[in-house]
Order: sequence, then structure tokens, then C-alpha cells
Amino acid sequence: AQSVAQPEDQVNVAEGNPLTVKCTYSVSGNPYLFWYVQYPNRGLQFLLKYITGDNLVKGSYGFEAEFNKSQTSFHLKKPSALVSDSALYFCAVRDTDSWGKLQFGAGTQVVVTP
Amino acid sequence: ETGVTQTPRHLVMGMTNKKSLKCEQHLGHNAMYWYKQSAKKPLELMFVYNFKEQTENNSVPSRFSPECPNSSHLFLHLHTLQPEDSALYLCASSQDRIAGDSDTQYFGPGTRLTVL
Repeated sequence: AQSVAQPEDQVNVAEGNPLTVKCTYSVSGNPYLFWYVQYPNRGLQFLLKYITGDNLVKGSYGFEAEFNKSQTSFHLKKPSALVSDSALYFCAVRDTDSWGKLQFGAGTQVVVTP
Repeated sequence: ETGVTQTPRHLVMGMTNKKSLKCEQHLGHNAMYWYKQSAKKPLELMFVYNFKEQTENNSVPSRFSPECPNSSHLFLHLHTLQPEDSALYLCASSQDRIAGDSDTQYFGPGTRLTVL
């Protein structure tokens, strides 16, 4: 079984401050982890993924995420948030045997204020 | 988003109507997906197709009928829907399972469906 949790419905941050969006997961075996972003009236856009290798993954638009196996977490981070980063962020996970069957979190709304 | 297109973008239908959603991908992928996105709920995977063959049906009611005539096109035929079926329906595509382990999915903009 696989599951993912995004514990925060909304994250508020001032422009220029660091942004962190939390994600924890549960899978049997090795996880495949993804982050997506959704802007209003748009589909999901892929940001980054972790499959194996370096625990720090760099992605699009200055985002990065850190895989922490002991804490079963995959938090999304950006050193300096922009107003244009305001959107809905989704974490997704699957296990080794569940090709194509991503389990998405409920999403975290990020609000960046000027 | 031009990699995966969906039409129509908005659809209003009555419970007795029959309509279809269309998805087309221009990424050279061989796997395609339908998702349902309802407010305040996680995305729900509905169907998965790999090389035109359905490989996953996530207990979706029969009033939703998918069709995948080729690797670039995916349809979702709708009939006798219920108001609770109102949602954003998202299509996605990825490389196929044979090509490798990377099933990074690329999404279309979605169809906003309202059932009256």
C-alpha cells in the first residue's frame, strides 16, 4: 500500500523568504516521489522527482526537494519565494511495483505576499 | 501545456446527456491516464492505458467509458452522470512501461465538468 500526506492545507510566506511545503509518505519498498504545481484553471505541471541517488533533487523554477528516508519525508523548498509561486502544490508517490499509479496528496495552497 | 491538450475546457451537461471528453498528447508517449480532481480531495486515478491497452480501472462506475484508439488520443465517454460527478477531469501521458522506469506524467489543462 502507498500513501502520502501533506499536513498543511495552506502555507503563507512573504516574498523573498524561504518557502517549504511538507510531504510525508508511506510505501512498501523504495519510493518514487514527485512534486507538481497547479496554477488556477490549469493542469498540473511537473517540478521534480526522486527515484534514486542524491537525496537533494533540483527542479524547475528554482525549487528543490530533499528526500529523507528515515523520516519518510520529501519536503519541497525554495530559498526565496516569488509572488508568482502562489499556487497549489501536490506531492505524489508510488512504490516500485505500482508503475503509473501515483498516489497524490491533497495539496498545499501556497500564498506568497508582496 | 501544449504537450497535452484537452477539449472541451468547460462542459455543462444534464444527467441524461451523453458527451465525450477528448485528450491528445504530442509528446511521443505511449501511456495515458484519466484523473478526477474534486475540490478539497486528492486527485483520483481513474484509468491507465499503456500502448492502447487498459491496464488500470480504479473501480470507476460504468457511466464513465474510456476509449484509447491510438497512443496519442484518449477519450472519456460520459452518460447518465450524477451531480457528484462534477469535477475537473485531467488527462496525462508518460513514457510507457517498456521504455523504462520513468513514468513522469505530463498533464493537460483539464475539462471542467458540471452535471446539472
